[in-house]
Amino acid sequence: DSGVTQTPKHLITATGQRVTLRCSPRSGDLSVYWYQQSLDQGLQFLIQYYNGEERAKGNILERFSAQQFPDLHSELNLSSLELGDSALYFCASSVVWGSGEAFFGQGTRLTVV
Amino acid sequence: LAKTTQPISMDSYEGQEVNITCSHNNIATNDYITWYQQFPSQGPRFIIQGYKTKVTNEVASLFIPADRKSSTLSLPRVSLSDTAVYYCLVGDITGNTPLVFGKGTRLSVIA
Repeated sequence: DSGVTQTPKHLITATGQRVTLRCSPRSGDLSVYWYQQSLDQGLQFLIQYYNGEERAKGNILERFSAQQFPDLHSELNLSSLELGDSALYFCASSVVWGSGEAFFGQGTRLTVV
Repeated sequence: LAKTTQPISMDSYEGQEVNITCSHNNIATNDYITWYQQFPSQGPRFIIQGYKTKVTNEVASLFIPADRKSSTLSLPRVSLSDTAVYYCLVGDITGNTPLVFGKGTRLSVIA
């Protein structure tokens, strides 16, 4: 158990809909990262937050947005969903906002039908 | 952000030592080298991190030559359960460097 909690574990929704994925980082970790991993694809970095502020952005679509709340949990909002958005979405947390040791959650498997 | 290059895939028999090399020619002075392991449908797991020379833990060893332009992850006596994708990352652990993963090396351990 990495200490990072992601909910829900599975999500099935229709095209055009909007969903929210939630991540609770390890206790004490200030940095949160979001990743997307499609079938047999690598981990695509989406966005990083540190202590409530956005620190880095990767290949995140305009239809996607995220935020980190004062209690440090984070949410990833995906809207106007398309079939191609079906993927595993991982959240990770770390103490520092650099490339140190990060701990990953078990992921949320999103299926868009 | 230093670019990394790893072999796409490797095969090994059980019980052998596996060495996965990562090239990072543009590594910066403050950059550390970190390796992660990922099993199917699971989040990556931190394996080892180093700056120079050799680092060893209960799972693996990391060899970094003096010029730091490459590194080698060594897995001793692999078993079937070591079949996974291994990622090499390079970045400044004290700075604003996001964790960006490349395509990794898919290791297949054969009985």
